[in-house]
Amino acid sequence: DVKVTQSSRYLVKRTGEKVFLECVQDMDHENMFWYRQDPGLGLRLIYFSYDVKMKEKGDIPEGYSVSREKKERFSLILESASTNQTSMYLCASSLRRGTTYEQYFGPGTRLTVT
Amino acid sequence: GENVEQHPSTLSVQEGDSAVIKCTYSDSASNYFPWYKQELGKRPQLIIDIRSNVGEKKDQRIAVTLNKTAKHFSLHITETQPEDSAVYFCAAWSFFKTIFGAGTRLFVKA
Repeated sequence: DVKVTQSSRYLVKRTGEKVFLECVQDMDHENMFWYRQDPGLGLRLIYFSYDVKMKEKGDIPEGYSVSREKKERFSLILESASTNQTSMYLCASSLRRGTTYEQYFGPGTRLTVT
Repeated sequence: GENVEQHPSTLSVQEGDSAVIKCTYSDSASNYFPWYKQELGKRPQLIIDIRSNVGEKKDQRIAVTLNKTAKHFSLHITETQPEDSAVYFCAAWSFFKTIFGAGTRLFVKA
């Protein structure tokens, strides 16, 4: 059974703080993704990675960076948190090849920036 | 950039009726189209998917159709039940990247 875990379920940070969100998957998946979920906007891709040390920008990368030093771990970094980054953040992983590209999601981190 | 449009944003049906959710996509290179269901407070989970070389796929009460020429795909749920109430997301995949629709909140009234 695929398991994707995220470091925190709820997080409250102040404007200007540096924030680290961590995601770990235990299924040896090559691809990992970070999304933010806001009401009425669906799931918007921030960054993704298809291999260790590789990263690609998604649709809304501004204000974020990522790190993938190990295959199982993908970190999202908010260099200087702002109130418009208050959101639900979802991590996901998937295989790179096969008949399906099913993404397995983590439980989410609800981040509030005050 | 690429996008996926999803309609309607909210859908309310009576238990036992059918529900249809429609999506259109812009990237003609997309070749995989999954549908995810997200129950309240839970993570999205895949319920059905279809590849671009297939026009229709069915799994019990749910089915997905794909029209590649028109860049349309749809989710059909028959004999809806209260436990089908959730937010449904369509998505289109190309080159590692999945673009999601904005979601449809489905209410099934008992």
